[in-house]
Amino acid sequence: QQPVQSPQAVILREGEDAVINCSSSKALYSVHWYRQKHGEAPVFLMILLKGGEQKGHEKISASFNEKKQQSSLYLTASQLSYSGTYFCGTDFDRGSTLGRLYFGRGTQLTVWP
Amino acid sequence: DGGITQSPKYLFRKEGQNVTLSCEQNLNHDAMYWYRQDPGQGLRLIYYSQIVNDFQKGDIAEGYSVSREKKESFPLTVTSAQKNPTAFYLCASSTTGMGVGGYTFGSGTRLTVV
Repeated sequence: QQPVQSPQAVILREGEDAVINCSSSKALYSVHWYRQKHGEAPVFLMILLKGGEQKGHEKISASFNEKKQQSSLYLTASQLSYSGTYFCGTDFDRGSTLGRLYFGRGTQLTVWP
Repeated sequence: DGGITQSPKYLFRKEGQNVTLSCEQNLNHDAMYWYRQDPGQGLRLIYYSQIVNDFQKGDIAEGYSVSREKKESFPLTVTSAQKNPTAFYLCASSTTGMGVGGYTFGSGTRLTVV
């Protein structure tokens, strides 16, 4: 039930764009996105709920394609501070309150000057 | 400021020892979670609790135990039955309302077997 993230790693120069995908074999109720800097705790970025919702956070936005059971995280005009590992966490279609999440293995993003 | 505190930051365990990792939150969150993180594996759920005095096993509960006697506290014991405990352990908390936000994580405990 672990969602699949792609790509595993991305290397960018400052100002470039990136897309990270998170897909599931089961219907999703919500998708969460987190960023983790090396040796630190993951930090919550945003949550997307069933229904095609798109959310934004600074220059980072995400979409949720319910039909494809997939979410994508978009990082535009990347900054050095965007470096880290990005995780998606999925909550399956139980129609209930937030409970446990299933996390992907992460996508390591490195931004160079 | 509200937050979630894990201690200690680093912990060394000898073979055959039980050790307890502390997790305390002052966010008034109902739910608390323990995840284990190994390189390249993502976050794997050990145990979680949505109310006081109740908890459920996650995907890798063998060799671990927890208690939830207070809303604020969710300690994790790594027992001698856990054969490969060296990892980074993360505690998290959340509200249980629908779509109100994500997890808040603690800063983690790095456990090493010596």
